This record gives sequence, C-alpha cells and structure tokens, in this order.
Amino acid sequence: SQTIHQWPATLVQPVGSPLSLECTVEGTSNPNLYWYRQAAGRGLQLLFYSVGIGQISSEVPQNLSASRPQDRQFILSSKKLLLSDSGFYLCAWRDETGGSQYSPLHFGNGTRLTVT
Amino acid sequence: QKEVEQDPGPLSVPEGAIVSLNCTYSNSAFQYFMWYRQYSRKGPELLMYTYSSGNKEDGRFTAQVDKSSKYISLFIRDSQPSDSATYLCAMSVQSGGYQKVTFGTGTKLQVIP
Repeated sequence: SQTIHQWPATLVQPVGSPLSLECTVEGTSNPNLYWYRQAAGRGLQLLFYSVGIGQISSEVPQNLSASRPQDRQFILSSKKLLLSDSGFYLCAWRDETGGSQYSPLHFGNGTRLTVT
Repeated sequence: QKEVEQDPGPLSVPEGAIVSLNCTYSNSAFQYFMWYRQYSRKGPELLMYTYSSGNKEDGRFTAQVDKSSKYISLFIRDSQPSDSATYLCAMSVQSGGYQKVTFGTGTKLQVIP
C-alpha cells in the first residue's frame, strides 16, 4: 500500500532563516505531488504541483520554491522566511497512471511552521 | 463568490445523532466530489469520493451529490465521539493537464458523549 511521509511535524524558525520541508511517497511510481498551505478559515491553498522529476508548476507567487529531485521526493524551500509564511503545510500525492479511473488526493500529516 | 462554500460551524450533536454536512459550489464543470476528515494537527484523510449525482454509501457514511442544484452532502449515521473532527468537501475538474482540486473551508463537528 502507498504511504506518504512528511517531516518535520513542527518547526519554529526566525524571520530571514532558510526553510526545507521534505515529503516522500512509498508504494507507487510517478505520482503527481502537491504542496498545499492551510490557514484557519481559509481552506487549502495549492502552492506547487509536480507531474514528474524536475517538473514544477507554481500556482501562487510566493516566497517559496519547490523541487522534485527524485520520483517520490518533493521538497518545499525558502531562502528567507517571512512572518506571513507561518502556517500548516501539507504534501499530497495522487496516481496519474491514466485511464478512466479517478484517483483522489492523499495527504501527509503536515508540518506546522511558525516563523518568529 | 467563492467556488465552494461550506459552513464553518462548529456543529455540536449528541452521540448517536444523524449528522448532515453540506457544501454548495458555483462551477458546473466540477466532475468529482470528495469528503475529507481532518483531526486536529493532522492531515486530511479521504473518506469518500463520487462522480455522479445520487448517493454513495460506505458504512455509516453517505455522500450525496445533486449536480442540478450544485449541492453536495455528507451524512453520518449513529455519530460517535471519534467522529469529532473538521470535515472538508473538495471538488475537482481537469484543467491544463492535471486535476485541479478546490476545497471548502471545512465544518468543525463535535459529537458529545
């Protein structure tokens, strides 16, 4: 079965420091990978998605970037954090093997980031 | 107007009650409809998804879609304290080569023992 791992679970970082959040998926090949941010009362905001190694699409201009160095690894980064980057960051995956069967999103357990 | 509207609650019910959670949407192109459950400080967990109008049942959970009214519901029968969580509706449409998913803001449910 497929599993998704996200770490760390919580993180407190000072303003201006760098960020690296990592996500890995097991049990599937060539998944579509996603980074979301969840803010209270505002739902989930899609930040980045990737359909393959080195292929990253950005949905919203951010102080953040994403990379996919391996098939099942997705990394969210920032060179200098802002206070507004605080939030709950979620990685998600879905199968994209084609065909008519729909494959919904599956989420990791998230990283709660506090920028101080 | 938001594409997906969901009452944030909180909704408080006694154990054993039938719970009804709802979302409305404005984009008639949405093709798939999902419900996620999210416990505090955890990621959303997929409960159910459906494509067509009508009902889909899974144990104590029933998902209902009415495409003509752009309205979806999740019913929970015999609610348990362990059902206390935030429930997110989500809807997706094929857009630019990938499935674009739009989420509601979530309804917080508390089941009182």
